[in-house]
Amino acid sequence: QVQLQESGPGLVKPSQTLSLTCTVSGGSISSGNYYWSWIRQSAGKGLEWIGRFYTSGSTNYNPSLKSRVTISVDTSKNQFSLKLNSVTAADTAVYYCARGNEYWGQGTLVTVSS
Amino acid sequence: DVIMTQSPVSLPVTLGQPASISCRSSQSLVYSDGNTYLNWFQQRPGQSPRRLIYRVSKWDSGVPDRFSGSGSGTDFTLKISRVEAEDVGVYYCMQATYWPYTFGQGTKLEIK
Repeated sequence: QVQLQESGPGLVKPSQTLSLTCTVSGGSISSGNYYWSWIRQSAGKGLEWIGRFYTSGSTNYNPSLKSRVTISVDTSKNQFSLKLNSVTAADTAVYYCARGNEYWGQGTLVTVSS
Repeated sequence: DVIMTQSPVSLPVTLGQPASISCRSSQSLVYSDGNTYLNWFQQRPGQSPRRLIYRVSKWDSGVPDRFSGSGSGTDFTLKISRVEAEDVGVYYCMQATYWPYTFGQGTKLEIK
């Protein structure tokens, strides 16, 4: 069974870039017709889909975050990453990576504060 | 974005009694392929969301059959036939028909 694990700094300063990595085990990112996603959960906005990509090449970002988000993949490491620029306190949330919408990581809390 | 509205927000239930959660979408969730991509998730305290039901009424692996999903178009329901203590948590509906995918605000199930 596929497993996902998020990693990255738990504290980011305002105006800086939030960077997270999702490591996938139990299956290859490149196999199967799945999409891989980043999702976040905050007290203020609930659950919010950040973006998704297919390893075939297509990527979709939530229009509300599109100008600040980049999702990339490293198939050699079986990892994919999230970068969110110009963060503010509103970006404080638990960030999840997922395969499709079935398999989720445990989540990682990122706090934006000086 | 498609707005997902759940009711009730809070659901106190006696052990062994049934429970029902409603979810309405701001537009029909029928996709061009004829499928309806409406899912239900359970989030227990301190855990990540776990998908219970996909495409309205299909069970995910390991989900007890006391959970069931129904509905069509814009109106959907998650039912628990007999609530058990392990069912405590927050339940979310989620649509995966339109991008960006969106969730309801959640229904908190607690034991009376």
